[in-house]
Amino acid sequence: AQSVTQLDSQVPVFEEAPVELRCNYSSSVSVYLFWYVQYPNQGLQLLLKYLSGSTLVKGINGFEAEFNKSQTSFHLRKPSVHISDTAEYFCAVSKDTGGFKTIFGAGTRLFVKA
Amino acid sequence: DGGITQSPKYLFRKEGQNVTLSCEQNLNHDAMYWYRQDPGQGLRLIYYSQIVNDFQKGDIAEGYSVSREKKESFPLTVTSAQKNPTAFYLCASSRGEGTWGYTFGSGTRLTVV
Repeated sequence: AQSVTQLDSQVPVFEEAPVELRCNYSSSVSVYLFWYVQYPNQGLQLLLKYLSGSTLVKGINGFEAEFNKSQTSFHLRKPSVHISDTAEYFCAVSKDTGGFKTIFGAGTRLFVKA
Repeated sequence: DGGITQSPKYLFRKEGQNVTLSCEQNLNHDAMYWYRQDPGQGLRLIYYSQIVNDFQKGDIAEGYSVSREKKESFPLTVTSAQKNPTAFYLCASSRGEGTWGYTFGSGTRLTVV
């Protein structure tokens, strides 16, 4: 079975500073990896996904993530954050076959300070 | 624009009542899902449906029921058997298996009064 661990429940950072949100997964089969963002009282929005190919994936709003198979990680990064990036971020994993169920991490709350 | 519509946005339930949360999509997606979100616990899967007239239990199905009579619609009923129903409920859909990612609705916040 797959599982997802987001290593930080909260990440405070100053505006224009870089940020990394960490995600580790475990799975005995090949997986697809996703990052979603949730603004207060809203649904989740897909930021980016890794299916195959290049291990560096670029998403919306200037975010990118790097797939590291040996470390089973999929960390999310942004070189310079804005106040508007304050939100909760979820890492998720899905099997590459028969994968109708996606497993979500517990979330990381990013708080950008002025 | 295509998307998922959840209604109502806020819902209040008295003890012992059943309530139904609506979820409609116009994306022509085959699969639909219901998740429950509680603070600090991420998303937990309640039910999912891969095709019309078929659905499977997720990890926390007890006290909930669903139907999938139309491709566009996947309503969730929170029954009186659900002992702690106060939560944020999210509906999602996907084109097929896990490669495509999910499109989420804006959620329904259910409160027991």
